[in-house]
Amino acid sequence: SYELTQPPSVSVSPRQTASISCSGDKLGNKYASWYQQRPGQSPVLVIYQNNKRPSGIPERFSGSNSGSTATLTISGTQAMDEADYYCQAYDSSTAVVFGGGTKLTVL
Amino acid sequence: QVQVVQSGAEVRKPGASVKVSCKASGYTFTSYAMHWVRQAPGQRLEWMGWINTANGNTKSSQKFQDTVTIVKDTSTSTASMELRSLRSEDTAVYYCARGRSSGPDWYFDLWGHGTLVTVSS
Repeated sequence: SYELTQPPSVSVSPRQTASISCSGDKLGNKYASWYQQRPGQSPVLVIYQNNKRPSGIPERFSGSNSGSTATLTISGTQAMDEADYYCQAYDSSTAVVFGGGTKLTVL
Repeated sequence: QVQVVQSGAEVRKPGASVKVSCKASGYTFTSYAMHWVRQAPGQRLEWMGWINTANGNTKSSQKFQDTVTIVKDTSTSTASMELRSLRSEDTAVYYCARGRSSGPDWYFDLWGHGTLVTVSS
């Protein structure tokens, strides 16, 4: 079955750039999406189709996907960005798959 | 207001079944698929399956093929997910999520607030 792997945690200082990786076999050949989940809340879509931002998502969120790794980048990180982030992709054999999640800490 | 509202928390004994509903409003129900995703305490999001709200076709993850049924009621713009033969490991928050697709891809742009299902004897 298809799997996506994320680092369990990433730390960043306020106003700096945070990068969260998501790796999977030939992930660059698929679309990757990213979700933000704050404690006790439902996930929120922040990036879809590798690099598109839904309406209402700040420009500081961006995404890329190449080779076997998709990356979510948060520029000028703010305290409110502290949350869990999940990558997600679709595989023809497994259907929808989520990564294990990355806890972003803004120190 | 575009939203999906889920039914309330449930408590069940092992071996029982539970049905969680998800009522859509503010958009055309049959224009978007509805997916179900669960999250056990402290765990990752886990995709369970989806329903084509236009024709009723469903597809479930292999893990849930024998225990999950997803249905829709177009008259009330409601999708429901029934999980049978519950075990303690099924204790989780269950989300419905509106699915968007452009070919071999799914992403979820609208999520319900989640329904906590607790399985305990």
